[in-house]
Amino acid sequence: GDSVTQMEGPVTLSEEAFLTINCTYTATGYPSLFWYVQYPGEGLQLLLKATKADDKGSNKGFEATYRKETTSFHLEKGSVQVSDSAVYFCALSDRAGGYQKVTFGTGTKLQVIP
Amino acid sequence: DVKVTQSSRYLVKRTGEKVFLECVQDMDHENMFWYRQDPGLGLRLIYFSYDVKMKEKGDIPEGYSVSREKKERFSLILESASTNQTSMYLCASISSGVAGGNEQFFGPGTRLTVL
Repeated sequence: GDSVTQMEGPVTLSEEAFLTINCTYTATGYPSLFWYVQYPGEGLQLLLKATKADDKGSNKGFEATYRKETTSFHLEKGSVQVSDSAVYFCALSDRAGGYQKVTFGTGTKLQVIP
Repeated sequence: DVKVTQSSRYLVKRTGEKVFLECVQDMDHENMFWYRQDPGLGLRLIYFSYDVKMKEKGDIPEGYSVSREKKERFSLILESASTNQTSMYLCASISSGVAGGNEQFFGPGTRLTVL
């Protein structure tokens, strides 16, 4: 079945540091890939997505590129802020048996210190 | 502004009680999901529904049941709550898409404590 593996946290960075959170996946079909973010006390919200190979998703200074050859979708940001402190989830979505199936990674907690 | 709402943000129940968690979405989505979120385990799918009165088991359905009588509402039921069901419960919905590129919309979560 489908699976998503993302780097374990927590990740602690100083403000303005470069961020990379690794995500790799296995899927039988041609999935769409997502990064969701969960701020403290809230539900998940979409950060960015890519629906086909070589697509780059971007939002709020974050970027991720859909790499089919390495089955990866790593999240990057050039300069993190304290307000980026949150839990980040990598996910894939595919249609299986007529259903929209979504598979999540275990999440990576990011803490940015001033 | 699209929205998924959950009936409670915090809930405290006793072992053996029957617990209802309600979720409502206003986006006319066909698919709705219940997850539980635990530290180190990420999101685990309990049940999902792709249409009214239809339901499918997710990865961890034991101890739970669901009800979907109306398109906008999806209820999670703990028939007899146990302490190992203490968790954060997240509801989500998604529109059916041809290519699977649609995002899920999440509610704010219900933090359930079973004593």
